[in-house]
Amino acid sequence: GAGVSQSPSNKVTEKGKDVELRCDPISGHTALYWYRQSLGQGLEFLIYFQGNSAPDKSGLPSDRFSAERTGGSVSTLTIQRTQQEDSAVYLCASSLGPSGYTFGSGTRLTVV
Amino acid sequence: AQSVTQPDIHITVSEGASLELRCNYSYGATPYLFWYVQSPGQGLQLLLKYFSGDTLVQGIKGFEAEFKRSQSSFNLRKPSVHWSDAAEYFCAVGAEAGNMLTFGGGTRLMVKP
Repeated sequence: GAGVSQSPSNKVTEKGKDVELRCDPISGHTALYWYRQSLGQGLEFLIYFQGNSAPDKSGLPSDRFSAERTGGSVSTLTIQRTQQEDSAVYLCASSLGPSGYTFGSGTRLTVV
Repeated sequence: AQSVTQPDIHITVSEGASLELRCNYSYGATPYLFWYVQSPGQGLQLLLKYFSGDTLVQGIKGFEAEFKRSQSSFNLRKPSVHWSDAAEYFCAVGAEAGNMLTFGGGTRLMVKP
């Protein structure tokens, strides 16, 4: 597509439920990134994909967080047993080479 | 490991005044440097980037940034700020090889009428 598409744009979930966040990168972009932005905070790196593999998972905050990417395209970030501290905006970005990221508009997750 | 510092968390300027947002980076080799802007409720938009060559780079919306290797800085400037420039600004550094970007903590710009 023309840009990075993220869905849903907003998600409200109850504590303890699982959620899936989707990212559809720019066609042909081989690298895909997930970041988290808590209220008033900077960008916290979560995970990076090159193709379908994830060479860097160092930012995932706990084993409740996982992500996958299939077909070198769409990625899903899954948060299991959500906690209130998981409330944040989850941003996805894609890139082709070291030319900078193109970001999606994010998914605002609220855990109540 | 690379790192980025944006010393100013908040900046307020009057509309029409000039603007400079500071960014200092730490990286052992030639960095790739970026500025992004984030309007409320939006994702991040790339303003400009520096890879090599002319150390003064021009970006969108009338912004420019200057790379100063001796000071490890990549400050963002605009000669005359518009109310629509109110947003959060992020500086980022990337490695010459690879795609990873490290972001600073951001500077929130407010514009007074």
